Amino acid sequence: QVQLVESGGGVVQPGGSLRLSCAASGFMFSSYGMHWVRQAPGKGLEWVAFIRYDGSNKYYADSVKGRFTISRDNSKNTLYLQMNSLRAEDTAVYYCAKFASDGFDIWGQGTMVTVSS
Amino acid sequence: NFMLTQPHSVSESPGKTVIISCTRSSGSIASNYVQWYQQRPGSAPTTVIYEDNQRPSGVPDRFSGSIDSSSNSASLTISGLKTEDEADYYCQSYDSSIHWVFGGGTKLTVL
Repeated sequence: QVQLVESGGGVVQPGGSLRLSCAASGFMFSSYGMHWVRQAPGKGLEWVAFIRYDGSNKYYADSVKGRFTISRDNSKNTLYLQMNSLRAEDTAVYYCAKFASDGFDIWGQGTMVTVSS
Repeated sequence: NFMLTQPHSVSESPGKTVIISCTRSSGSIASNYVQWYQQRPGSAPTTVIYEDNQRPSGVPDRFSGSIDSSSNSASLTISGLKTEDEADYYCQSYDSSIHWVFGGGTKLTVL
């Protein structure tokens, strides 16, 4: 079945870095754009970044631009999010999601990132 | 740039019908598709409506979506409410400048 599994979350100090991964299965990963979406504790959903199916274009929310980098390895069916210069306000559950039309159709279960000293 | 505004919470009894609204602040609601996501406590979101009014396979036909250009809003209607429908619901749309936008979410209580 179609599945997205995130990993790589954890606790990191302010100013630190972390790389998240999202392993895809059950669909032709190399044919679809992919997103990262986050949700701070007790808050709503916030779109973070998008990458086209072939990695040719990438878009970021203003809140992470210049600090986060989205990438993918189609040979490994894996999506990544490199997060640098982390701040307390980046604390959230991070979800990867498959692109569909103007939104998202399949979501992973999420991985928690906590930025704290 | 635009925002999507949803009521913070709604409540209704089992078996009844509830409508959750999502109002676009500027630009036409019809200019890009609206999606709706359900998020049960402690779980990831799932898609219940895509492209304004389409249901993914496996979503019961008790869930329906619509848009209304006169009020510049989208609506999610859930009929025959069940206790399992209790969740947070988010609308979402797209804009070429600010990209993918979510509403603030509506907490549905089925009491």
